[in-house]
Amino acid sequence: DGGITQSPKYLFRKEGQNVTLSCEQNLNHDAMYWYRQDPGQGLRLIYYSQIVNDFQKGDIAEGYSVSREKKESFPLTVTSAQKNPTAFYLCASSIPGSNQPQHFGDGTRLSIL
Amino acid sequence: GENVEQHPSTLSVQEGDSAVIKCTYSDSASNYFPWYKQELGKRPQLIIDIRSNVGEKKDQRIAVTLNKTAKHFSLHITETQPEDSAVYFCAASETSYGKLTFGQGTILTVHP
Repeated sequence: DGGITQSPKYLFRKEGQNVTLSCEQNLNHDAMYWYRQDPGQGLRLIYYSQIVNDFQKGDIAEGYSVSREKKESFPLTVTSAQKNPTAFYLCASSIPGSNQPQHFGDGTRLSIL
Repeated sequence: GENVEQHPSTLSVQEGDSAVIKCTYSDSASNYFPWYKQELGKRPQLIIDIRSNVGEKKDQRIAVTLNKTAKHFSLHITETQPEDSAVYFCAASETSYGKLTFGQGTILTVHP
């Protein structure tokens, strides 16, 4: 979806390092989401934000942190506390109260060196 | 919280055959049930969705059925083509714009 930009497409991290994944949207959506996908599995919710300066933990928030200082941006930091960070990370956004489904970005593939 | 189970995990069919993928969910508060198609390394693409006030929805070769009483919904693809080969995910949510709980995925292979 051209409205959601995730960068970089591929990211490598050394053990013990924090790394931040970028998610930017120009769809004017209030709600944004981060999902993690492991090989052969479905997506699992990490964090979500319904409005600027507010966010909630999803099902697998441990080892991750987020911020929502701007409507357009919802960066995800994978901390050193996340022991198995290798995965495909997908960002999504939506309009609360609408009939429109979530739009997904193209994802970032994170690997441990 | 919501739990979504999806079956089968792999499905192999001949071109022209039908394919059916089934999902069950646990939270009666869920009212929105989308299906996504994901090709290798790409983002999930919404292919069809259904809301709880509807029992069936069709879009050309794709249909989805919902049984709210039994808490299950299914994806039906007719006249399958090789380009239908992908991973398919079901999901459930209270609303169309809210957080989604996904099934584990089904790898569909359509043989020419």
